Amino acid sequence: NAGVMQNPRHLVRRRGQEARLRCSPMKGHSHVYWYRQLPEEGLKFMVYLQKENIIDESGMPKERFSAEFPKEGPSILRIQQVVRGDSAAYFCASSPPSRSEGEQYFGPGTRLTVT
Amino acid sequence: DQQVKQNSPSLSVQEGRISILNCDYTNSMFDYFLWYKKYPAEGPTFLISISSIKDKNEDGRFTVFLNKSAKHLSLHIVPSQPGDSAVYFCAASKWTGNQFYFGTGTSLTVIP
Repeated sequence: NAGVMQNPRHLVRRRGQEARLRCSPMKGHSHVYWYRQLPEEGLKFMVYLQKENIIDESGMPKERFSAEFPKEGPSILRIQQVVRGDSAAYFCASSPPSRSEGEQYFGPGTRLTVT
Repeated sequence: DQQVKQNSPSLSVQEGRISILNCDYTNSMFDYFLWYKKYPAEGPTFLISISSIKDKNEDGRFTVFLNKSAKHLSLHIVPSQPGDSAVYFCAASKWTGNQFYFGTGTSLTVIP
């Protein structure tokens, strides 16, 4: 059973470009979460999605950031007009539909560098 | 607003001894707590969890203790092994909530 997959693992963008980060959840998981880890900090929640629905985006910056989890295909975190402060590790996690499972399973992360 | 705090950025322990990692939280609504382990260039890996109805949960060499009145939890690793060297994150959530709140991590080094 493949784990959570994220690609690309490393992404370099110049200021003003767009960054697209992809996440494929574990088989059977319908819940996807995106977290951001800035240098020297813990993981910060950004958004929680189920198929075709954004459930909680309270941690996502209001501008330039968007996320989707279409019926088919991976979840996408999109950052428009990137700035240096967006440089971070972005982690995706997935969980099964049953909340009693508790834990979230994390992917290896995408390290975004904005030059 | 850091609702989950790990005040020790690093910890060194001799192989075979006990490692104790600590975590404090501020939100009394949290009722589910987890520890994750993270190696460089990898995502966090779930280690052990505890719900607020318990004060202890054990899994092999790993035990998590929860003190609700003090809003404190700790992870004990006995005996510590060099392969345990990693960054350990404490996380908390509300059972009805969607997100985990993570601490800033403690880097554990187990010295052979």
